[in-house]
Amino acid sequence: EAQVTQNPRYLITVTGKKLTVTCSQNMNHEYMSWYRQDPGLGLRQIYYSMNVEVTDKGDVPEGYKVSRKEKRNFPLILESPSPNQTSLYFCASSPRSGGTLNNEQFFGPGTRLTVL
Amino acid sequence: AQSVTQLDSHVSVSEGTPVLLRCNYSSSYSPSLFWYVQHPNKGLQLLLKYTSAATLVKGINGFEAEFKKSETSFHLTKPSAHMSDAAEYFCVVREARNFGNEKLTFGTGTRLTIIP
Repeated sequence: EAQVTQNPRYLITVTGKKLTVTCSQNMNHEYMSWYRQDPGLGLRQIYYSMNVEVTDKGDVPEGYKVSRKEKRNFPLILESPSPNQTSLYFCASSPRSGGTLNNEQFFGPGTRLTVL
Repeated sequence: AQSVTQLDSHVSVSEGTPVLLRCNYSSSYSPSLFWYVQHPNKGLQLLLKYTSAATLVKGINGFEAEFKKSETSFHLTKPSAHMSDAAEYFCVVREARNFGNEKLTFGTGTRLTIIP
């Protein structure tokens, strides 16, 4: 089944304890992205990746890191989480066609993170 | 800069009556527009998309939307609401950027409640 998977789905942690949220897609998509969803703010992009070893900042990158060493995986790293990073996180992927992204993004099921 | 405004944060309709979820956008370029649905504790699912083809777009589950450039609107409609339509709906505008990148801007969401 074509899908985007995220792990863990739920995580409660404490301030300052490094964590990684994994994201994996099995559709051979080149483009991947991370979003956070907060009440009243919709989804906001954290980081995105156009291809392996190509990543760039989205709208709210502060406090996050990403890496793209393999095409299928795009982990989100919080080196020192803080309470304001408590949120619902979504990973998404999209194919590229003709050099442009003219397709929908496929979203993972979400990871609910609470930082105490 | 592009933006999306979903005019209603909550909409309630009776089962079997029409649904209208309103979305206005602004974009410096010719945008692509999407509607996504998020059911409770689920990821986002694409309902429909407009990518400069027909202005009336039909999606899944009986939903459709009309792109009106003069009004900068992309309202989502369904003739007859079903209980399973209860969810949160996001209007999204996509803008192509340099080097094959794209930016998705999400609206803040409209929660649709169906009254039995």
